[in-house]
Amino acid sequence: NAGVTQTPKFRILKIGQSMTLQCTQDMNHNYMYWYRQDPGMGLKLIYYSVGAGITDKGEVPNGYNVSRSTTEDFPLRLELAAPSQTSVYFCASRQGATSGELFFGEGSRLTVL
Amino acid sequence: AQTVTQSQPEMSVQEAETVTLSCTYDTSENNYYLFWYKQPPSRQMILVIRQEAYKQQNATENRFSVNFQKAAKSFSLKISDSQLGDTAMYFCAFMKYIQDDMRFGAGTRLTVKP
Repeated sequence: NAGVTQTPKFRILKIGQSMTLQCTQDMNHNYMYWYRQDPGMGLKLIYYSVGAGITDKGEVPNGYNVSRSTTEDFPLRLELAAPSQTSVYFCASRQGATSGELFFGEGSRLTVL
Repeated sequence: AQTVTQSQPEMSVQEAETVTLSCTYDTSENNYYLFWYKQPPSRQMILVIRQEAYKQQNATENRFSVNFQKAAKSFSLKISDSQLGDTAMYFCAFMKYIQDDMRFGAGTRLTVKP
């Protein structure tokens, strides 16, 4: 029962560095999402994908890129990391447009110094 | 754009008592989903309960129930017989039916006291 798996769980970056947060799901879900959660706040949508080869911007896409080459994987790329990107990142998935519930990974805590 | 508002940043309740968390939302849609998610200190987001807007009956899941007032755009969560394990952040969320993304409120931090 792996569900949604994110790696790494923790990472410290220096300003200007780049990195990729990995997300994979084994539920054959079409829809995948990346959210960020700032301290004491709710989740804000960064990017989402409704299927392999299709991605779209959410509320806060600046500074990030995504790709969706397979149904299972949805990596999030941070280019030129900035302190404002210090946050906890959650990947999530759901089966289809009417399925409702999101299934979340355990989150990745990123600190940019 | 849809917005979700949770007006109670923090709440506390004694063990075994009942507590109600508030949520309001703004939408012009008629068909949508509403959710309550729990986030314990482990950070894992766990679905507590969901409600489809077309259903008039309020959803219940064991000790958790909702009061869904569609006309008022209100969706409160009632936790009965509170347990120490209920201590967590609770997020209200909204998603349009046949929609791509889910919008979250800012959360309510609930502490259950022994």
